[in-house]
Amino acid sequence: DAGVIQSPRHEVTEMGQEVTLRCKPISGHNSLFWYRQTMMRGLELLIYFNNNVPIDDSGMPEDRFSAKMPNASFSTLKIQPSEPRDSAVYFCASRPSGSYEQYFGPGTRLTVT
Amino acid sequence: AQSVTQLGSHVSVSEGALVLLRCNYSSSVPPYLFWYVQYPNQGLQLLLKYTSAATLVKGINGFEAEFKKSETSFHLTKPSAHMSDAAEYFCAVTEGRGGGNKLTFGTGTQLKVEL
Repeated sequence: DAGVIQSPRHEVTEMGQEVTLRCKPISGHNSLFWYRQTMMRGLELLIYFNNNVPIDDSGMPEDRFSAKMPNASFSTLKIQPSEPRDSAVYFCASRPSGSYEQYFGPGTRLTVT
Repeated sequence: AQSVTQLGSHVSVSEGALVLLRCNYSSSVPPYLFWYVQYPNQGLQLLLKYTSAATLVKGINGFEAEFKKSETSFHLTKPSAHMSDAAEYFCAVTEGRGGGNKLTFGTGTQLKVEL
């Protein structure tokens, strides 16, 4: 079974540039979560979707961050413009209906210089 | 509000020794609890989960955890550590629908296994 797929695995960009991170959840899962992991703040939930609808975006740090889920098999997290403090590992996770455990992707390591 | 506290950001054990990673939770309703493991440069992998069935839960790689309501704890144990167990471990809690179906993670415990 394919797990959660994230791309790119690594992204290096300059401050001010737009960054788009992509996620394909496990087929059949109806919830999708975006997390950010840093040494200072640990693992933070940014936003999550149920059935492609954003349910809670209270963790999105600023208006520079936006997330979409146009269909059940694809989601994006966009940062525009990016800043050095956005450097982190961004994880996508999905969850099947009726369950509480989440299945994580391998993450995207973002470096903003 | 739900929360978890992991005591000890770093734990070091000898190979073959008992592994004990501590997790205490706070929840306004009976919680569901999880342990995840993260190997370097990888995502989080589910080790085991407690969802109100048996209080002693067995997971992958020989790990187990016991839910103790009186102590609000869900400590992770393994009788004999192996070098391959070196990783970061996260405890997580959810109150289910009452918590918005979100997982709240602890700050993690880095496990080091020495020869």
